[in-house]
Amino acid sequence: EDQVTQSPEALRLQEGESSSLNCSYTVSGLRGLFWYRQDPGKGPEFLFTLYSAGEEKEKERLKATLTKKESFLHITAPKPEDSATYLCAVQDPANEKLTFGTGTRLTIIP
Amino acid sequence: EAGVAQSPRYKIIEKRQSVAFWCNPISGHATLYWYQQILGQGPKLLIQFQNNGVVDDSQLPKDRFSAERLKGVDSTLKIQPAKLEDSAVYLCASSFPTRDIGAKNIQYFGAGTRLSVL
Repeated sequence: EDQVTQSPEALRLQEGESSSLNCSYTVSGLRGLFWYRQDPGKGPEFLFTLYSAGEEKEKERLKATLTKKESFLHITAPKPEDSATYLCAVQDPANEKLTFGTGTRLTIIP
Repeated sequence: EAGVAQSPRYKIIEKRQSVAFWCNPISGHATLYWYQQILGQGPKLLIQFQNNGVVDDSQLPKDRFSAERLKGVDSTLKIQPAKLEDSAVYLCASSFPTRDIGAKNIQYFGAGTRLSVL
């Protein structure tokens, strides 16, 4: 059974203070690793998909990287509007099913 | 492009009552998913449809949960009878399926229905 573990559970940063969120996974086969952002009272919003070790994707202050066992979401010089829960998920190649981690709740303090 | 629509947004019921949720996916998306998200956890897949056929319902508690997707578009998820532990957000997602391993196969989520069972 696929397993996804995210750390830390919660992270508080000062505005402008860069950091990284971790997603480690154990899967029988990986079609893709997905990062989503979820704001309170809303559904997850797609950020990135990574398919192979060494791949990197960037969007504004966010950069996602992938190795064979884990993925990192790096946030550079964050702003208060980056506050949200960040979810990581792995996709089963057989049926496109997503298995999610429990998320990292990120708070950026002005 | 319109997103995934869900209704109602909130629902409060007493245990042993029944409840139904509705989802309208993004136009053209053949694959539809229902997820359950308990507070503080990530979404957990309940059921996956490809058009109007079930692909995976291994995590659906079939003694009380049922889902259908008539005509391969809208879908409803029903709980009967509800238990206290069913309190959660029920998320619907849709995607355009592709077997191309290099292609994006992104699931787009609706805002969800927050269910409270008292």
